[in-house]
Amino acid sequence: DSGVTQTPKHLITATGQRVTLRCSPRSGDLSVYWYQQSLDQGLQFLIQYYNGEERAKGNILERFSAQQFPDLHSELNLSSLELGDSALYFCASSLEGSWDQPQHFGDGTRLSIL
Amino acid sequence: DAKTTQPPSMDCAEGRAANLPCNHSTISGNEYVYWYRQIHSQGPQYIIHGLKNNETNEMASLIITEDRKSSTLILPHATLRDTAVYYCIARSNYKLTFGKGTLLTVNP
Repeated sequence: DSGVTQTPKHLITATGQRVTLRCSPRSGDLSVYWYQQSLDQGLQFLIQYYNGEERAKGNILERFSAQQFPDLHSELNLSSLELGDSALYFCASSLEGSWDQPQHFGDGTRLSIL
Repeated sequence: DAKTTQPPSMDCAEGRAANLPCNHSTISGNEYVYWYRQIHSQGPQYIIHGLKNNETNEMASLIITEDRKSSTLILPHATLRDTAVYYCIARSNYKLTFGKGTLLTVNP
């Protein structure tokens, strides 16, 4: 158990809809990362938040947005969903934001677009 | 981040040591070598990381060559539960850049 909690575990919705994925980091971790894993693209970094502020951006689409709240939990919002957005979405957390610290991953949310 | 090269697959007998190689010939001085593994659609699991020196923890050992152009992850006594995709990452910024990794299959 990594200590990172993601909800829901599974989500099924239709094209054009909007969903929110939630992540609670490990106790004491200030940094949260979001990743997308699809069959054709592998595991891709989307965005990082550190103590409530956006720290780094990766391959995140404009239809996607994220935020980190004062209690340090984070939400990833996906809108105008397309079939290609079907994927596993992972959240990870680390104590701070530097790259000499490991990231600990949750078990992911599996999103299926019908 | 520097590009890493790993064999696509490896087999290992249960109870034997599994030695997973990684080539990172373009690694720069401030890039850490990280190893993660992913067991069938679960979240990636951190194993170990290092910069220059060899490292050991309860899960594995990491051997980094003196020129830092390659490294080896060693699982000393592989079990069936170690069957997973193992990712070697040369990291120099906040994100982790995952490649295709090595599928390690531990056989009974």
